[in-house]
Formats: sequence, structure tokens, C-alpha cells
Amino acid sequence: GENVEQHPSTLSVQEGDSAVIKCTYSDSASNYFPWYKQELGKRPQLIIDIRSNVGEKKDQRIAVTLNKTAKHFSLHITETQPEDSAVYFCAANLSNTGNQFYFGTGTSLTVIP
Amino acid sequence: EPEVTQTPSHQVTQMGQEVILRCVPISNHLYFYWYRQILGQKVEFLVSFYNNEISEKSEIFDDQFSVERPDGSNFTLKIRSTKLEDSAMYFCASSEWQGRNYGYTFGSGTRLTVV
Repeated sequence: GENVEQHPSTLSVQEGDSAVIKCTYSDSASNYFPWYKQELGKRPQLIIDIRSNVGEKKDQRIAVTLNKTAKHFSLHITETQPEDSAVYFCAANLSNTGNQFYFGTGTSLTVIP
Repeated sequence: EPEVTQTPSHQVTQMGQEVILRCVPISNHLYFYWYRQILGQKVEFLVSFYNNEISEKSEIFDDQFSVERPDGSNFTLKIRSTKLEDSAMYFCASSEWQGRNYGYTFGSGTRLTVV
């Protein structure tokens, strides 16, 4: 099955700096890659996603890039703010397997004011 | 914005007891899922459900687990004989379409503590 790896596991940045979280996946058939933000004790919430026919997608301070050849995708947060502090999970979807999502192990992001 | 609702938010049960976790998916969604998250770990897939039957399940979803959609709105996860290692946050999710790559909407979770 699919294996999603995520790095780093923890990340601290100064407010205003950028944060980058990277994920790799193993199955080249995966074609949808969402990112979820999970605040302490709360549900994962979709913040951005990218499909395999797109190389980059941006939404205000958040962007995601996908390299299908290398099978990796990254989340970029610019001008970080304290409220960006959370655990971020990447996921990969192999759409012919019942739409199951395979999650990465998470990155705990701390934005220092 | 439509929400997936889960009850209870926290359940404490004794080892060996049966528990039922309840979920109300978004009304026009067709695909339903249960995931679990052991404290501090990643979100793990348990089962997906479509058209009143299981479409996929993971190795975690053994004979102790079952799912049901008893009426048009509820979606339940039953654990027949809980074990200590079943302690986790259980998330229900729903999605509108399969194969169209729509992201899930997660419920707020039920924290299950087995003592």
C-alpha cells in the first residue's frame, strides 16, 4: 500500500518567517494530496490540496508544490503568525482504493512571537 | 458551513465493555469513514462505507469493530469488547464523491478512554 513520510516532525520559526513541511509518497498512482491543520484537541481541517495534474497551488499565505517524478509534495507557509501554530498532516489519496487517505506522521509547527 | 457531528465528545469505558460511537455526516455526502488517532500519533484509517456497505477496511478494523447506518442520518462505530489499546480519538468523516478527489470533512472526534 501507500506509504507517506513527513518531515520534519517538529518545526519552530520566528513570527514572520516562512515554514516548509515536506512529504514523500510511495505509490505513483496517488493523485490527490490534501494538507490538514489540527489544533490541539480539535479535528483535522483541510487547508489546501493539490491534484496530480497541477504542480503548484497557492492560497494567500499558503502554497503547496508537487513533484510527481520525485513523488514529493511540500507545504509552504509565508509570513507565519502565532495562530499558524498547530500540527500539520499531509495525506495522499489513491483514488481507486475506496478513497482512503494515507496520512503522514505530522509536523508540530510552533510560531514564536 | 455544513458539519459532521459526533457524540459523545468523550467516553470512558471499562475494558471488555462495548461502546458505540455516533456520527451524523453531512446530509448530501455519500461516503462515510472512521479514522482513529492515538495520542500524539498520525491519523489512521479504519473503514469506509458507501451504499450501506463497507467498501474498504484496514487491518485495524478486526472482528471487534462494526459499522452501521441505522437510519438516514446516523453512522455508528461499535467496538464489541474494548481493549486498553483502543484508547484513542475517533474521527468520523464524510465526503461527497469518490474518485473526484474531494477532501474529507472531519467531525470533532470522540475521545475514547478504556480503563
